[in-house]
Amino acid sequence: EDQVTQSPEALRLQEGESSSLNCSYTVSGLRGLFWYRQDPGKGPEFLFTLYSAGEEKEKERLKATLTKKESFLHITAPKPEDSATYLCAVQSPNFGNEKLTFGTGTRLTIIP
Amino acid sequence: DTGVSQDPRHKITKRGQNVTFRCDPISEHNRLYWYRQTLGQGPEFLTYFQNEAQLEKSRLLSDRFSAERPKGSFSTLEIQRTEQGDSAMYLCASSLNPEAFFGQGTRLTVV
Repeated sequence: EDQVTQSPEALRLQEGESSSLNCSYTVSGLRGLFWYRQDPGKGPEFLFTLYSAGEEKEKERLKATLTKKESFLHITAPKPEDSATYLCAVQSPNFGNEKLTFGTGTRLTIIP
Repeated sequence: DTGVSQDPRHKITKRGQNVTFRCDPISEHNRLYWYRQTLGQGPEFLTYFQNEAQLEKSRLLSDRFSAERPKGSFSTLEIQRTEQGDSAMYLCASSLNPEAFFGQGTRLTVV
């Protein structure tokens, strides 16, 4: 069964202080790894999809990277509006298995 | 707004009552998913439709839960004889490619 572990559970940073969030995964094969942002009381907002080891995607202050066992979400010079829970999910390539398996998320707080 | 729409946003019900939630996906998306999320946890998969066919159901989905997607458009999720443990955020998502886009969810509170 697919498994996703995210660390740390919570992270507090000063504005401008760069850091990385970790997502470790175990799957029988990887169709895709997904990063989402979720604000309190809202649905997850899609950020990135990564398909193969070595791939990188960037969006504003965020950069996602992928290896064969984990993914990192790097946050450069964050701002208070980057405060949210960041969720990682995997999808395996088995026929008929379309579900995403999520981790429990990293709750990020950026202090002005 | 052409995103995924869910209705209602909030529902408070008494234990033992039935509730029904509606999801309107992004119009060109043929895949539709239901997830459940409790506080401090990531979303957990419940069920998946491709067009009108329900192709996958989680073991979490007890016989009190039923989902439909008539004509491959909107979907409904019904919970019969609600229990306090059903209190959660129910999320709907739709996709055309691998990326799934989520609605704002329906927050269910069973009292």
